[in-house]
Amino acid sequence: GENVEQHPSTLSVQEGDSAVIKCTYSDSASNYFPWYKQELGKRPQLIIDIRSNVGEKKDQRIAVTLNKTAKHFSLHITETQPEDSAVYFCALGSGNTGKLIFGQGTTLQVKP
Amino acid sequence: KAGVTQTPRYLIKTRGQQVTLSCSPISGHRSVSWYQQTPGQGLQFLFEYFSETQRNKGNFPGRFSGRQFSNSRSEMNVSTLELGDSALYLCASSLAGNSPLHFGNGTRLTVT
Repeated sequence: GENVEQHPSTLSVQEGDSAVIKCTYSDSASNYFPWYKQELGKRPQLIIDIRSNVGEKKDQRIAVTLNKTAKHFSLHITETQPEDSAVYFCALGSGNTGKLIFGQGTTLQVKP
Repeated sequence: KAGVTQTPRYLIKTRGQQVTLSCSPISGHRSVSWYQQTPGQGLQFLFEYFSETQRNKGNFPGRFSGRQFSNSRSEMNVSTLELGDSALYLCASSLAGNSPLHFGNGTRLTVT
């Protein structure tokens, strides 16, 4: 069925370090893998997404990698800054609909 | 371009009442999805509408319903409110399936 597990649930790093969040899924029909950032009291905002025909995508300090065989995808944030502190959600989409299945979220704290 | 607009921002209702939430998508977006966000369950998919038709439905009881109008605006209704319905209800719009979801600021529903 549709399920996504996200780890870790909390992550604390020093400013300048890298942060990695991993999500695993079971539905092989999943073909769209977005990541959302939600700051406290604000709406989730898309930060990067990847489709199943691509293995890696990068946007400045943020990258996402996808391993379709192992059914996992990861968010990588390099040179973290205090403003990166937020809750990050991975999600799965399949078919051609607006339905997304979200992971449980990772609270990232970047210490100055 | 205006973002996704949700009204009202806050609602307080008592058990047994019903409530209607409204969502205006980004101009040109035909897909509107609804999500429930709670600390314990995270972001859970309620339903998606596309061209006035419900295209997907999540695992919520029939007390949760929605509709979409010809101008793509959407409403969701919750009848016979329960304490557990207290949550942030987020609406998101997208151009088409598997394209980025743009979230509104949400409606915070408190059931007492």
